[in-house]
Amino acid sequence: GESVGLHLPTLSVQEGDNSIINCAYSNSASDYFIWYKQESGKGPQFIIDIRSNMDKRQGQRVTVLLNKTVKHLSLQIAATQPGDSAVYFCAENKNTDKLIFGTGTRLQVFP
Amino acid sequence: DAGVIQSPRHEVTEMGQEVTLRCKPISGHDYLFWYRQTMMRGLELLIYFNNNVPIDDSGMPEDRFSAKMPNASFSTLKIQPSEPRDSAVYFCASKAGGLRSETQYFGPGTRLLVL
Repeated sequence: GESVGLHLPTLSVQEGDNSIINCAYSNSASDYFIWYKQESGKGPQFIIDIRSNMDKRQGQRVTVLLNKTVKHLSLQIAATQPGDSAVYFCAENKNTDKLIFGTGTRLQVFP
Repeated sequence: DAGVIQSPRHEVTEMGQEVTLRCKPISGHDYLFWYRQTMMRGLELLIYFNNNVPIDDSGMPEDRFSAKMPNASFSTLKIQPSEPRDSAVYFCASKAGGLRSETQYFGPGTRLLVL
């Protein structure tokens, strides 16, 4: 049937809780992965990246985990705040100039 | 650093009119990307440039779309004639060249509405 639009999975979390956003990537040969945050009315903003020779990388309140065996990427946000509410995209790269973006996950933070 | 700059931020036009979107990449970045974002199709790469040369335009929807990069600090995306289905948010992104420089930095986007 005809698509009526992308269905964005939504994650709802309480302020102060930890959030985990998941992403399945497509190409087992991809060697670079990146997470972007997009707030309403704004462009995607870089959060954190990781190379395939690593399985974990930490930033400020964020951690990215990479499981190459099952082609899975996750973004963990500690102590989620209202300002974290946004759509989060993962993207992959296989030694090219282009990024392949996922469809995104909407994170909603409620008080 | 000012980041990627796009103009206009909003554009409303009538079907059949020419639309020109503008982008100034981050100074020193060798790559410039044009994306389109819609609810139906998500974020799509339209075209990208390296050192002002178009490298891959396979994402450009049709001949009504054209993009240029006359110098390292300026690029345009033109739609002529525009159609209602072109309504979307258009993003420009840039990245540095060289090895291990995959991170793209996005501008704020141009929200286009074609009536």
